[in-house]
Amino acid sequence: DGGITQSPKYLFRKEGQNVTLSCEQNLNHDAMYWYRQDPGQGLRLIYYSQIVNDFQKGDIAEGYSVSREKKESFPLTVTSAQKNPTAFYLCASSITQLDRADAGELFFGEGSRLTVL
Amino acid sequence: AQSVTQLGSHVSVSEGALVLLRCNYSSSVPPYLFWYVQYPNQGLQLLLKYTSAATLVKGINGFEAEFKKSETSFHLTKPSAHMSDSAEYFCSVRHLFGNEKLTFGTGTRLTIIP
Repeated sequence: DGGITQSPKYLFRKEGQNVTLSCEQNLNHDAMYWYRQDPGQGLRLIYYSQIVNDFQKGDIAEGYSVSREKKESFPLTVTSAQKNPTAFYLCASSITQLDRADAGELFFGEGSRLTVL
Repeated sequence: AQSVTQLGSHVSVSEGALVLLRCNYSSSVPPYLFWYVQYPNQGLQLLLKYTSAATLVKGINGFEAEFKKSETSFHLTKPSAHMSDSAEYFCSVRHLFGNEKLTFGTGTRLTIIP
């Protein structure tokens, strides 16, 4: 079955450490996204990529970095510069064509919960 | 610029009663509108979407939503609540003309009371 796989599901980190969250999709989608979710704040966009080797900052990119070397993969690194990294992180993907029935729809992974000790 | 407002961060409904979750949007161009559902510690799943076809949209699990341009609203309803409907619901808006970003509301946590 096609879908998005995020790993790890739970991650603990000490202050000052970088950590990388994995996101892999086999839906053949061109666009991929990283969101951060905090209670009462909805989903906030960190980074997104519409094509391999290209990505754009979202609304809260500071302290995060990404790469898009393959269409299937969009890893997120939470750096030590991120002051409050404890959160639930969601990866998503979508098509970019406008003439398909699933245009505009995001497909989400199961999420990764990061806790800074 | 586009934005979404969900009225009520927490809504409680008795089992079998009507579910109504409110969503208002602002958009300078015709929008695509979505409702997603999230169960604890999981990702989001699409419930339904409006893409400028029929204004009354039917989704999964018996939910539906009506697009009202004059009220800039896209409220989610279900005639009879089920215990399994307890979850968090997100309304979102997106333009597909030069803007690939989806804007989410802050979410409404729905609790079904036995």
